[in-house]
Amino acid sequence: DGGITQSPKYLFRKEGQNVTLSCEQNLNHDAMYWYRQDPGQGLRLIYYSQIVNDFQKGDIAEGYSVSREKKESFPLTVTSAQKNPTAFYLCASNRGPPIQNQPQHFGDGTRLSIL
Amino acid sequence: RKEVEQDPGPFNVPEGATVAFNCTYSNSASQSFFWYRQDCRKEPKLLMSVYSSGNEDGRFTAQLNRASQYISLLIRDSKLSDSATYLCVVNMESNDYKLSFGAGTTVTVRA
Repeated sequence: DGGITQSPKYLFRKEGQNVTLSCEQNLNHDAMYWYRQDPGQGLRLIYYSQIVNDFQKGDIAEGYSVSREKKESFPLTVTSAQKNPTAFYLCASNRGPPIQNQPQHFGDGTRLSIL
Repeated sequence: RKEVEQDPGPFNVPEGATVAFNCTYSNSASQSFFWYRQDCRKEPKLLMSVYSSGNEDGRFTAQLNRASQYISLLIRDSKLSDSATYLCVVNMESNDYKLSFGAGTTVTVRA
């Protein structure tokens, strides 16, 4: 079955440590996204990529980095510069721009906590 | 002003009741609108897209009011399984790839 796979499901980060969240999709989608969700808040865009080897900052990119070397993979690194990383991280993908007949699809998320 | 605003609720309704709620958006040029459903500690899942003429999917009806810049969701004959948080999602006109998410409206259906 086609879908988006995020791993790990739960991740713990020590102070000063970088951690990388994995996102893989087999939907043949060009566009991929990373969001962060905090309790009681909407999703906020961290980074997105419209096509391989290209990505753009979202609204809250500081303290995060991404790469898009392959169409199916869009890993997110949470760096030590991100001082409040505890959140629910969601990866999503689209065939192209998210319009009515091509909505965004989500992975099942990674919960990151500080040790 | 937030780009997308929703009444957080919660809306507590008995089974079989009708519940409706709105979402306002700030960008008058937005073109794509969605309702997503999110269960506790899970990922959002598409409930339905919202079309200009309004659309229905079973017990769910979505409407778009461009003049007043809001979309609505109505749930008829509520089921216990409808208990969830409903997210309003709108595209950013200046960038087709970016979506704005509301913080969600929580609905609890009681037996």
